[in-house]
Amino acid sequence: EAGVTQFPSHSVIEKGQTVTLRCDPISGHDNLYWYRRVMGKEIKFLLHFVKESKQDESGMPNNRFLAERTGGTYSTLKVQPAELEDSGVYFCASSQNRGQGTSPLHFGNGTRLTVT
Amino acid sequence: TQLLEQSPQFLSIQEGENLTVYCNSSSVFSSLQWYRQEPGEGPVLLVTVVTGGEVKKLKRLTFQFGDARKDSSLHITAAQPGDTGLYLCAGAGNQGGKLIFGQGTELSVKP
Repeated sequence: EAGVTQFPSHSVIEKGQTVTLRCDPISGHDNLYWYRRVMGKEIKFLLHFVKESKQDESGMPNNRFLAERTGGTYSTLKVQPAELEDSGVYFCASSQNRGQGTSPLHFGNGTRLTVT
Repeated sequence: TQLLEQSPQFLSIQEGENLTVYCNSSSVFSSLQWYRQEPGEGPVLLVTVVTGGEVKKLKRLTFQFGDARKDSSLHITAAQPGDTGLYLCAGAGNQGGKLIFGQGTELSVKP
C-alpha cells in the first residue's frame, strides 16, 4: 500500500507570504494528524482529524494556521501570513483506528518549511 | 502539560558496544511508543509498550515500560553501524493518537 504522502518536500518563502502544505493519508485511514518539529525542539502535535471533522486542534499555534480535510481524504495546512518562527518540519500521520497506543501512526516524510 | 525527557540527546559509540536510551516523565501514559527516524524521512514505529513493566524485544533492541507507566528505556546490544539514526520516544494519553514526543536521541555507531 502507498504510504502517507506529503508535498512539497521543501518550501522556502518570505515572511508575510502564504504557504499551503498537503498531506495524502493512507487510503482508508480515517485519522489524520499534523505534527511539527521546530529546530532544536521535540515533535509537537498540531491537530487531529477524524474523517473531515477536527477532533482536536489544541496544538495549533495561532489563527495564522488553517487546516482542512476536504471530504475526509487529503488534508491541507495553510500558514498565512508566515512568520520566521513557523520554520520547521511539518509531519502528517494517519492511522486506521483512534491510535489508542496500539494502532500505529504512519508518518509522511514531512515538509521542511523555511521562512526567511 | 505532559513532558517526556529523553536522554542522552547525542550518543556516539563504537560498533559492538551496548547502549541505553531513557525516557522519563512525571505523567502517566496509556502507552509508550518508540520510533526511529532517518534523515529526510518521517518517524517509523519500532514498538509499542502498553502494560506497566512490559518488556519487548526486537532482535538486538529491548524496550521496557516502567511499572508506573511514566518511563521507558531502549537498550541496544552490540550496536551496529546500521543502528545509526534518530530514536524517538512518544507517549500516548487517553486521547489516543495525540502523542507527546521526547526530544530524540541521535545515535552514531562507528565501525
